[in-house]
Amino acid sequence: QQQVKQSPQSLIVQKGGISIINCAYENTAFDYFPWYQQFPGKGPALLIAIRPDVSEKKEGRFTISFNKSAKQFSLHIMDSQPGDSATYFCAASRANTGFQKLVFGTGTRLLVSP
Amino acid sequence: DTEVTQTPKHLVMGMTNKKSLKCEQHMGHRAMYWYKQKAKKPPELMFVYSYEKLSINESVPSRFSPECPNSSLLNLHLHALQPEDSALYLCASSHPGGQFYGYTFGSGTRLTVV
Repeated sequence: QQQVKQSPQSLIVQKGGISIINCAYENTAFDYFPWYQQFPGKGPALLIAIRPDVSEKKEGRFTISFNKSAKQFSLHIMDSQPGDSATYFCAASRANTGFQKLVFGTGTRLLVSP
Repeated sequence: DTEVTQTPKHLVMGMTNKKSLKCEQHMGHRAMYWYKQKAKKPPELMFVYSYEKLSINESVPSRFSPECPNSSLLNLHLHALQPEDSALYLCASSHPGGQFYGYTFGSGTRLTVV
């Protein structure tokens, strides 16, 4: 019940296309759903995040869609650019006293071809 | 300052060596984390410190010993490691709870055990 399932494992998109990555969770106690972007040799960087009381959040070319009833959420990258080529992790957490424990998805390697 | 700084960036150590990884943040975060990340895998939680006290130890072998000297510093002491411990070790920090603003990760220490 602590797992977050992520798909696809890898994705190739042409420049200017839309990249879509999907995640699903089981634990209904999760109340925070971030996406992280990681470049080789670097730590993950917070990209965008959403709470379950919102169905969609957009920041620039990045949009999270959230379906609470289906326990699914997805990342859409519009007008994908070669610089977006990275590994993307979805995650989920629930509030604890004093800290947050993130559960990560398995990751998606995105390659945007020029 | 919105960064988590990790030193060293790279470390090669023998199985009989003792070494330490260091992590520093000045964002006023009172929760700090150590993660281990193997190639093409998501980060795996090792330890959580909240208000300088160890809150979670994810059954990590005793050859890894965390220390939180103050609210800005987090160390990971290494002793008698095995080659399979070679990985990227990530430090992160966050607000302690309530409203969750997301983790900030450092760039990591690339550890190679020979």
